[in-house]
Amino acid sequence: GQQVQQSPASLVLQEGENAELQCNFSTSLNSMQWFYQRPEGSLVSLFYNPSGTKQSGRLTSTTVIKERRSSLHISSSQITDSGTYLCAMERGGGSGNKLIFGTGTLLSVKP
Amino acid sequence: GPKVLQIPSHQIIDMGQMVTLNCDPVSNHLYFYWYKQILGQQMEFLVNFYNGKVMEKSKLFKDQFSVERPDGSYFTLKIQPTALEDSAVYFCASRRDWGGYAEQFFGPGTRLTVL
Repeated sequence: GQQVQQSPASLVLQEGENAELQCNFSTSLNSMQWFYQRPEGSLVSLFYNPSGTKQSGRLTSTTVIKERRSSLHISSSQITDSGTYLCAMERGGGSGNKLIFGTGTLLSVKP
Repeated sequence: GPKVLQIPSHQIIDMGQMVTLNCDPVSNHLYFYWYKQILGQQMEFLVNFYNGKVMEKSKLFKDQFSVERPDGSYFTLKIQPTALEDSAVYFCASRRDWGGYAEQFFGPGTRLTVL
């Protein structure tokens, strides 16, 4: 089964609304990263967040390793926030530090 | 922040031909990866490479695939021969070192189309 579960799969917001994206992991993890994938496919790294809370502008990431979950909060959404948000976990302990990606949340922000 | 470069950005080739995808990782990084994303699907790990050796590969890393980084130049993914199912975007990533806590930095991807 999927080791990384992202929810929701898709989300439609009105501009200005907030969003909460979730990532749950079925196995223990070493760290995790959040990415924004542009419509043309390139990746933008949002957060490298092994644990705790990190903020960058309107984005906040919270990772709780013990509970195997991470969230990405987007406040005051803008049309340019539209795209796909990916979370990825890195497993420790001899797994080669590869990232295991979720299936993504497709966000659409309407005017 | 640190940049990973990939060359070319797009490549179109005929099935059966050889293709080499090039990655210029972050300069002081030692640990390199290739990931594959078929259009509309999940990003998946292909292979990682450290100290001149493949450390781990997934089932997607077929016998036709090979990686190398000769003399600290580009980290390359070679596919020979290519197949239709190899059409995808290939992302290179690098990490500072093995172990510990370190971020993986991704390149912009190479879109490979096999006709």
